[in-house]
Amino acid sequence: DAGVIQSPRHEVTEMGQEVTLRCKPISGHDYLFWYRQTMMRGLELLIYFNNNVPIDDSGMPEDRFSAKMPNASFSTLKIQPSEPRDSAVYFCASSLTATSSYEQYFGPGTRLTVT
Amino acid sequence: KQEVTQIPAALSVPEGENLVLNCSFTDSAIYNLQWFRQDPGKGLTSLLLIQSSQREQTSGRLNASLDKSSGRSTLYIAASQPGDSATYLCAVNPDTDKLIFGTGTRLQVFP
Repeated sequence: DAGVIQSPRHEVTEMGQEVTLRCKPISGHDYLFWYRQTMMRGLELLIYFNNNVPIDDSGMPEDRFSAKMPNASFSTLKIQPSEPRDSAVYFCASSLTATSSYEQYFGPGTRLTVT
Repeated sequence: KQEVTQIPAALSVPEGENLVLNCSFTDSAIYNLQWFRQDPGKGLTSLLLIQSSQREQTSGRLNASLDKSSGRSTLYIAASQPGDSATYLCAVNPDTDKLIFGTGTRLQVFP
């Protein structure tokens, strides 16, 4: 398997623009997670899905952030409008319930810079 | 609220040393604990996963232990190499889904 795939790997945008980050989980995995990593706050869970359904979005910082999972192989994290403080590395991860270990596998991340 | 702390925050050692990274968590009710490695500018690579019923896991030169009752885990790296230089993160899984990450230990192994 190719692992978790994220695109783009780097995104530079101006304040106020809409940003869409994409994730393809490992085939067959039924959990998908979005994390954000900053120097100040470390790694934080934003939202996660189980079988395409959002389970916990309490980590989403503001209404400017939204996430969708229209099918088992694709998810998006959208920021509209973007602000400089949104600059961070955004990671997507997936895991498989059936193994009962719930080990999470991470993608390479998207480095977002908002100027 | 579960909090995860890692000590030390940074560590610099000569090649060949055996070393121990520490992770502590405030709530012992966890499902499992994972150790990850992160190279600069890269994603996270899972190193070891310990289920709550287990005491330790080993992979090559790495050994992770778990003492749930005291809220502690250690990652032991034997015969360290420059290629081990990275940030090591521990994360606890409170109830089969979301992970709560520690602050990380930045390791540098010099020749």
